[in-house]
Amino acid sequence: DQQVKQNSPSLSVQEGRISILNCDYTNSMFDYFLWYKKYPAEGPTFLISISSIKDKNEDGRFTVFLNKSAKHLSLHIVPSQPGDSAVYFCAARDNYGQNFVFGPGTRLSVLP
Amino acid sequence: EAQVTQNPRYLITVTGKKLTVTCSQNMNHEYMSWYRQDPGLGLRQIYYSMNVEVTDKGDVPEGYKVSRKEKRNFPLILESPSPNQTSLYFCASSFTGLMNTEAFFGQGTRLTVV
Repeated sequence: DQQVKQNSPSLSVQEGRISILNCDYTNSMFDYFLWYKKYPAEGPTFLISISSIKDKNEDGRFTVFLNKSAKHLSLHIVPSQPGDSAVYFCAARDNYGQNFVFGPGTRLSVLP
Repeated sequence: EAQVTQNPRYLITVTGKKLTVTCSQNMNHEYMSWYRQDPGLGLRQIYYSMNVEVTDKGDVPEGYKVSRKEKRNFPLILESPSPNQTSLYFCASSFTGLMNTEAFFGQGTRLTVV
């Protein structure tokens, strides 16, 4: 059973608009969450993260929101750019085992 | 330069012929892991290691072996590859003592088993 879920396999957004990617998790032991971006033929690269003691973390155009009670996090990209077109993976790490668990990914297409 | 290096990048092999995909990191990370990426299934974990001589199964360990004899290396071994192991493989590493750190990934190894 997947511990980290990304229920939207794909998302298309117009350039300049907001992209919102969602992620849900089931394991209450997770206390650190990350977003990775992956281009074809490359390894995933770290984008932004959030600790469970926060509910928001911002880095330039990227903001991650965490709702612990709902076990839900989201990544907002504003404004979206064509270069943001990639697969985005949500990941979680638990305080006990410290293993990284990844979601299935969402393919974002930003249309010019 | 801090990096995770996988070799080879591309490999075509035949069913049953043993192969090893190497992974090496130069960041003194304790944690290392192998994932496979398949269309529609995302990154599924094969095996991970919290430190030297400590390895654990991930979600899809069948048909794979790993070893962690040194901190920097974490090879993935396919003793008898089968076509369903055709996939894109990624190695990753991270610190374990520091919680709020990310995992770093290699460039990937595309394996085709015919």
